[in-house]
Amino acid sequence: NAGVMQNPRHLVRRRGQEARLRCSPMKGHSHVYWYRQLPEEGLKFMVYLQKENIIDESGMPKERFSAEFPKEGPSILRIQQVVRGDSAAYFCASSPAGFREKLFFGSGTQLSVL
Amino acid sequence: AQSVTQLDSQVPVFEEAPVELRCNYSSSVSVYLFWYVQYPNQGLQLLLKYLSGSTLVKGINGFEAEFNKSQTSFHLRKPSVHISDTAEYFCAVTPIIQGAQKLVFGQGTRLTINP
Repeated sequence: NAGVMQNPRHLVRRRGQEARLRCSPMKGHSHVYWYRQLPEEGLKFMVYLQKENIIDESGMPKERFSAEFPKEGPSILRIQQVVRGDSAAYFCASSPAGFREKLFFGSGTQLSVL
Repeated sequence: AQSVTQLDSQVPVFEEAPVELRCNYSSSVSVYLFWYVQYPNQGLQLLLKYLSGSTLVKGINGFEAEFNKSQTSFHLRKPSVHISDTAEYFCAVTPIIQGAQKLVFGQGTRLTINP
């Protein structure tokens, strides 16, 4: 039973480019969460999605960031026109039926903006 | 809103010595509490959690934590550490509110085990 799969592990982008981060939840999990970890800081909640629905995006920056979790395929976190301050580790977690006490985290995507 | 404070950013310890990683939280409502471990270049792994019941919680790898409601603390302990315990440790809380889904994390404590 594969865990939460994130790809790519490392992503390098130049300022102004777009970054797409992918997350495949654990088998049987239909709830996905995205967290961001800035250097020397803890994880900060960004968004919570169920299949085809955004449930809570209170942690998402208002501009340039979007997330989706389509009926088929992985969840995507999209960052448009990246800036250096977007450099961080982005972690995806999944849970069964929205039980936040049963979160399983992926290994993260390290985004570096040049 | 909730907040979590991990009082030590770095803790160096000798192998086989005991360790305590401190965590305090602030919340106007009851919370669930968690400790996660992050090994280098890996994602977070759940060590243990407190949902209800006994305030002393035992987790994986010999770790335990005690929930103290009056002091709003959830300190993590291990009686004898091993080199393999070198990692970053995060304390987290989530409010026990219908519909609440996000975890609030502390800044992390880097545990370094020296031989």
